[in-house]
Amino acid sequence: DAMVIQNPRYQVTQFGKPVTLSCSQTLNHNVMYWYQQKSSQAPKLLFHYYDKDFNNEADTPDNFQSRRPNTSFCFLDIRSPGLGDAAMYLCATSRTGTGGFYEQYFGPGTRLTVT
Amino acid sequence: QKEVEQDPGPLSVPEGAIVSLNCTYSNSAFQYFMWYRQYSRKGPELLMYTYSSGNKEDGRFTAQVDKSSKYISLFIRDSQPSDSATYLCAMTLSGYSTLTFGKGTMLLVSP
Repeated sequence: DAMVIQNPRYQVTQFGKPVTLSCSQTLNHNVMYWYQQKSSQAPKLLFHYYDKDFNNEADTPDNFQSRRPNTSFCFLDIRSPGLGDAAMYLCATSRTGTGGFYEQYFGPGTRLTVT
Repeated sequence: QKEVEQDPGPLSVPEGAIVSLNCTYSNSAFQYFMWYRQYSRKGPELLMYTYSSGNKEDGRFTAQVDKSSKYISLFIRDSQPSDSATYLCAMTLSGYSTLTFGKGTMLLVSP
């Protein structure tokens, strides 16, 4: 089945130790998104790519970076995780077009714990 | 004022009840309105979307949008224990622009 895959599902890292989360998709969608979702809060968009065009949300901390080496893969790098970065990280994909509605498909998420 | 307001609940109902979930928003430029369902430890999945004002029905689910009041609703008829999840409203400026989510309402349907 075509889908959005996130690895790992659970990640534990130490305070200040860099961590990378990965996302892959078999949908061949040109747009990929990274969201941060803390407990009982709305998913917050961190970045998105239209093809290779990177778009950073204005309030995304510099501690967060992203890479998209090809259409299928996207990575979220947290350079120096703090306790406040513990959250569920969601990857999503969609198509774009000239009109109409294009659904965002979400992966299962990676739950990050910072100790 | 947050862009999208949604009561976090939890909302507890017995099986078979009619459930009403709601969101209000502040940006009158939003055009597409969505409801996502998120089970515990899973990613959100799209339930329904509506363009502009109006109603849309899909089985036991009905979505309503009132742009004049900046108010959207999701009704679930004959609720089932399997409907227990967090329901997130979301909206966009166009069909493929970035989503603005509400916090989600946790729904618990007891047998």
